[in-house]
Amino acid sequence: DGGITQSPKYLFRKEGQNVTLSCEQNLNHDAMYWYRQDPGQGLRLIYYSQIVNDFQKGDIAEGYSVSREKKESFPLTVTSAQKNPTAFYLCASSIGRLSEKLFFGSGTQLSVL
Amino acid sequence: DAKTTQPPSMDCAEGRAANLPCNHSTISGNEYVYWYRQIHSQGPQYIIHGLKNNETNEMASLIITEDRKSSTLILPHATLRDTAVHYCIVRVVYGGATNKLIFGTGTLLAVQP
Repeated sequence: DGGITQSPKYLFRKEGQNVTLSCEQNLNHDAMYWYRQDPGQGLRLIYYSQIVNDFQKGDIAEGYSVSREKKESFPLTVTSAQKNPTAFYLCASSIGRLSEKLFFGSGTQLSVL
Repeated sequence: DAKTTQPPSMDCAEGRAANLPCNHSTISGNEYVYWYRQIHSQGPQYIIHGLKNNETNEMASLIITEDRKSSTLILPHATLRDTAVHYCIVRVVYGGATNKLIFGTGTLLAVQP
């Protein structure tokens, strides 16, 4: 089945540690996105990528980094510079940068130990 | 910030129509209205979108007022599975080149058996 796979489902980070969240899609979509969701809040855009080897900062990119070396993969690294990383992280993709529909993964819950 | 206003919660009896309102008084002429829903701890799912005409698909109907300042999502026969946060979103162009959807806090629809 086609879709977006995020892993792991749950992730714990120690103080000062970098952690990487995986996002893989087999939909052949060009554009991919990372959103952060805090409890009771809406989604906020962290980074997005329109094509391979290109990505742009969203509203809350500080403390995060991404790469887009392959079309199907868009990993997100939460660095030690992100002082409040506990949140639900959602990856999404769309056919093109102006596509009407975003397809979301099932999310990764990141917590700080 | 999100450019839409939605009630924080609504109840609906199973099998009845659920009508979810959304205000977007500052919408511009080329902005679409999108609806997504998010079941707890999952990624959002696309429902429907429209520009100025009413739209219907297998999931729902979207009614947009003539002045486009508000809209209503109609779930014709609500089921327990429709219990979710429903987001009304106005599409904006971000960085001049991409599909940035601004997710607010949405409406929690609770379908009662």
